[in-house]
Amino acid sequence: GAVVSQHPSWVICKSGTSVKIECRSLDFQATTMFWYRQFPKQSLMLMATSNEGSKATYEQGVEKDKFLINHASLTLSTLTVTSAHPEDSSFYICSARVLGRSDYGYTFGSGTRLTVV
Amino acid sequence: GESVGLHLPTLSVQEGDNSIINCAYSNSASDYFIWYKQESGKGPQFIIDIRSNMDKRQGQRVTVLLNKTVKHLSLQIAATQPGDSAVYFCAENIDGNAGKSTFGDGTTLTVKP
Repeated sequence: GAVVSQHPSWVICKSGTSVKIECRSLDFQATTMFWYRQFPKQSLMLMATSNEGSKATYEQGVEKDKFLINHASLTLSTLTVTSAHPEDSSFYICSARVLGRSDYGYTFGSGTRLTVV
Repeated sequence: GESVGLHLPTLSVQEGDNSIINCAYSNSASDYFIWYKQESGKGPQFIIDIRSNMDKRQGQRVTVLLNKTVKHLSLQIAATQPGDSAVYFCAENIDGNAGKSTFGDGTTLTVKP
């Protein structure tokens, strides 16, 4: 149980365009989802926390207008990278907190490799 | 094989040996810790967790040890197999802090057949 499905698994886009990444909780309701970014051979860095029905909370240094997060339902959160540039190329990973569980967000999506050319 | 110091970026062990991966966490207020395994191109996979009211927890072939005095966490893998080759991250959490995890730098484990 507690599976998070993330799509797409990889995407290549042109500089200046926007890309949407989806994360769905398949067999549970996720009140909270976390979005991470991971550069090659580096650790995961938390970008933002999204809560169903409310605005996302962004970590320091993460541009809210560039990384738009929507968590409109208990099973879906989306991250849109707007006006993407090559420096946004990275591995984006979502994580979901399982409703009613005492442990925190340890269910991760499979990640999205974004390449901006 | 064992990673020493804060943590080495890589650890190479022989198949069948035991592995010890170390992690120094930063926040003395952290009270929940998780070890993850990440294979190339995939998201992290939960391995084992431990709360701060414990100092040891065992799973299948894995043991996590927590030393709060020196803010140190270790993951022991028994009878390491080639399928264990991956990057291992520790993550620390603070109860009530919205479940946010802070990840360590990671250790790459390579198992030689």
